[in-house]
Amino acid sequence: GIQVEQSPPDLILQEGANSTLRCNFSDSVNNLQWFHQNPWGQLINLFYIPSGTKQNGRLSATTVATERYSLLYISSSQTTDSGVYFCAVEDTGTASKLTFGTGTRLQVTL
Amino acid sequence: DVKVTQSSRYLVKRTGEKVFLECVQDMDHENMFWYRQDPGLGLRLIYFSYDVKMKEKGDIPEGYSVSREKKERFSLILESASTNQTSMYLCASSRFYEQYFGPGTRLTVT
Repeated sequence: GIQVEQSPPDLILQEGANSTLRCNFSDSVNNLQWFHQNPWGQLINLFYIPSGTKQNGRLSATTVATERYSLLYISSSQTTDSGVYFCAVEDTGTASKLTFGTGTRLQVTL
Repeated sequence: DVKVTQSSRYLVKRTGEKVFLECVQDMDHENMFWYRQDPGLGLRLIYFSYDVKMKEKGDIPEGYSVSREKKERFSLILESASTNQTSMYLCASSRFYEQYFGPGTRLTVT
């Protein structure tokens, strides 16, 4: 099946700093989503982005499908950004089945 | 706003008990999913359903069954709970590609 790798596994930032999270995947994809899992375990949709670039406030994401990677940018980080960020992909042969990466754990400190 | 709800946030059951986890979505989505999340293993798909009374095995279906009698409701059943089924269980729904998750049920089997 498709492989999804995220880096870095852990990240500690001071409030106000910027960061880039990376997601590499091993095959063509129909669907790529970024999620934020908050400390209570809820997975919150950030972006649906199988290709191209999207922005939502301080967050933006870019997926280069031909090179099989996606980037999540967090600017001016806040303590509420802490949690685990997951990339999940659905490959072209498995309708609706998402494969998740192992996540990037982000801690934003004061 | 899409809303996916799960019947319990925390559940404690004994080994050998039959356990029902309920998931309800209010957006008329065709697709529903059950995942479990474990430290170091990430999110793994247990079962999914494309329509009422339809079900497909995911990556780790052993020890679980599911029921979808109504479009909005997808139940996960542990026929005889075991300690290795202690985990966080997450339900999701989608119409096309973008999946939306419920708050999760943290199940402990003692």
